[in-house]
Amino acid sequence: GENVEQHPSTLSVQEGDSAVIKCTYSDSASNYFPWYKQELGKRPQLIIDIRSNVGEKKDQRIAVTLNKTAKHFSLHITETQPEDSAVYFCAASKFMYSGGGADGLTFGKGTHLIIQP
Amino acid sequence: DADVTQTPRNRITKTGKRIMLECSQTKGHDRMYWYRQDPGLGLRLIYYSFDVKDINKGEISDGYSVSRQAQAKFSLSLESAIPNQTALYFCATSDFRQDTDTQYFGPGTRLTVL
Repeated sequence: GENVEQHPSTLSVQEGDSAVIKCTYSDSASNYFPWYKQELGKRPQLIIDIRSNVGEKKDQRIAVTLNKTAKHFSLHITETQPEDSAVYFCAASKFMYSGGGADGLTFGKGTHLIIQP
Repeated sequence: DADVTQTPRNRITKTGKRIMLECSQTKGHDRMYWYRQDPGLGLRLIYYSFDVKDINKGEISDGYSVSRQAQAKFSLSLESAIPNQTALYFCATSDFRQDTDTQYFGPGTRLTVL
């Protein structure tokens, strides 16, 4: 089955600096790569996702890049703010865009992002 | 997201007891999932269901069973709970009609097995 590795497990950055979290996946058939943010005591929530036919996607201060050849994808957060402090999870799945099913998400183990004031 | 609810929110039980965790959704989504979260291990898929007639095992299904009673309800059972099933359990839903696999999580059930 799919295996997703995520690094680092903890990342501390100064407020205003950028943060980068990296993930690798093992199954070349995976084609959908979301990132979830989980604040303390809360449920995970999607912040951005990318399909395998796209190399990069941006949403304001957040961007995700995908390298299919190397089987890795990264989350980039610019101009970090205190509210960015949370645990971030990458994930991968084989999603059938033409209909049919997907076999659920395989998650990385998470990165605890700490924004230092 | 108030559209996905889980009951109970917290449960303490003893080894060997049967436990059922329930998930309900008003989002009208066809797909439902059960995940388990352990510190340092992320979220791991237990079971998933694409509709009431379709149930699939996930990565860590041993020791668990599920029931999809209706499109809106998906229950997770621990037939004989053991201490290493102590964890935070999340239900999630996604929409077949959307061209994405965005999953919407419930608030979680914290289960402690003594």
